[in-house]
Amino acid sequence: QVQLQQSGPGLVKPSQTLSLTCVISGDSVSSNSAAWNWIRQSPSRGLEWLGRTYYRSKWYNDYALSVKSRITINPDTSKNQFSLQLNSVTPEDTAVYYCARESVAGTSDYWGQGTLVTVSS
Amino acid sequence: VIWMTQSPSLLSASTGDRVTISCRMSQGISSYLAWYQQKPGKAPELLIYAASTLQSGVPSRFSGSGSGTHFTLTISCLQSEDFATYYCQQYYSFPPTFGQGTKVEIK
Repeated sequence: QVQLQQSGPGLVKPSQTLSLTCVISGDSVSSNSAAWNWIRQSPSRGLEWLGRTYYRSKWYNDYALSVKSRITINPDTSKNQFSLQLNSVTPEDTAVYYCARESVAGTSDYWGQGTLVTVSS
Repeated sequence: VIWMTQSPSLLSASTGDRVTISCRMSQGISSYLAWYQQKPGKAPELLIYAASTLQSGVPSRFSGSGSGTHFTLTISCLQSEDFATYYCQQYYSFPPTFGQGTKVEIK
């Protein structure tokens, strides 16, 4: 059974960096058949896919255009986890952030518990 | 970007009812559509993928149909645990996008 456990601060000041980590159990961040996604949810933007990292003989990343200049998703094979960094945050980035596994079918079949991140001074 | 229109946004129903939720695409996506259920304070859960394939463990009262630009999620006999918000998601083209959601509430 795949489980994803998120961690990270719930409050970030404007202009600073939002950092979250997702620890994977029951699968590998280096899997050749999965991708590891970050998705956020807010009342104003709904569910919004942010980006993913995946391994297919080498590492790849894809990012949403809306955050492409500010986002980094990194795998950590030694700890079997992946992370999200979102720079220069504003109150618009306030949301519940989820990590999720994207299966070979292309859908998010396992999700983390979610982390409410509030951007406020 | 593919735009999605999910309807209705709110659906009032009673236990035992048959309910249908619609999801329309701005362009054809073949069968690359998924449905998720979300309960308050919880992450979305995958119900259906490839438009009509039930995810393992999902009750058979849930079904999906459609292809191209119009898709539906049907709950054949609504149970108390089915009162939740439902989202469609297309994964045909990058980036994957979600519908706005349909809240199924108790009538």
